[in-house]
Amino acid sequence: SQQGEEDPQALSIQEGENATMNCSYKTSINNLQWYRQNSGRGLVHLILIRSNEREKHSGRLRVTLDTSKKSSSLLITASRAADTASYFCATDNNNAGNMLTFGGGTRLMVKP
Amino acid sequence: KAGVTQTPRYLIKTRGQQVTLSCSPISGHRSVSWYQQTPGQGLQFLFEYFSETQRNKGNFPGRFSGRQFSNSRSEMNVSTLELGDSALYLCASRQQGGNTGELFFGEGSRLTVL
Repeated sequence: SQQGEEDPQALSIQEGENATMNCSYKTSINNLQWYRQNSGRGLVHLILIRSNEREKHSGRLRVTLDTSKKSSSLLITASRAADTASYFCATDNNNAGNMLTFGGGTRLMVKP
Repeated sequence: KAGVTQTPRYLIKTRGQQVTLSCSPISGHRSVSWYQQTPGQGLQFLFEYFSETQRNKGNFPGRFSGRQFSNSRSEMNVSTLELGDSALYLCASRQQGGNTGELFFGEGSRLTVL
């Protein structure tokens, strides 16, 4: 079963705009990670935020985590056509051993 | 450093056959996980191996099995294939066995069952 639910399922924006994707989860976590997947390819790790952190930045990416609401958001600023991909949140749960539980993903399309 | 390598990249099988997929993790990585990705169910955890031991298993039938070798390479096997087994099978490695840190994914093996 999927731990995370992502919102929106699909997002279409123009180049230069910001893209915000949200993720909600159900159980307590050690950390939350965001991954990117180009069509039919493997996943690439973007950023990890630990349960005791509230915000993290990496280049044009900004991730927030609200453990009280069990939610996270990924913001991509000044988007580029090359950012077109699917984005997944994944939770590393306290009681799930060494597995990540992925959300359903957000399909982002950035139009040039 | 070479990334995670999965073979074969594409394969077509018929119902009832069996398939073996291979994964070579990044050098020095001892943890290997497998995930199944389908349009309907998304990314689902299959199993995780560390030092040749299966440490965690997802909710899949016994037709799905795996193993890890002493060099950390891993294989997964699906027997008696069903149409619903058509999916992208992703392997990921981690440097250590702890429950922190990112996963490094291979490009996947796309299985089509006819």
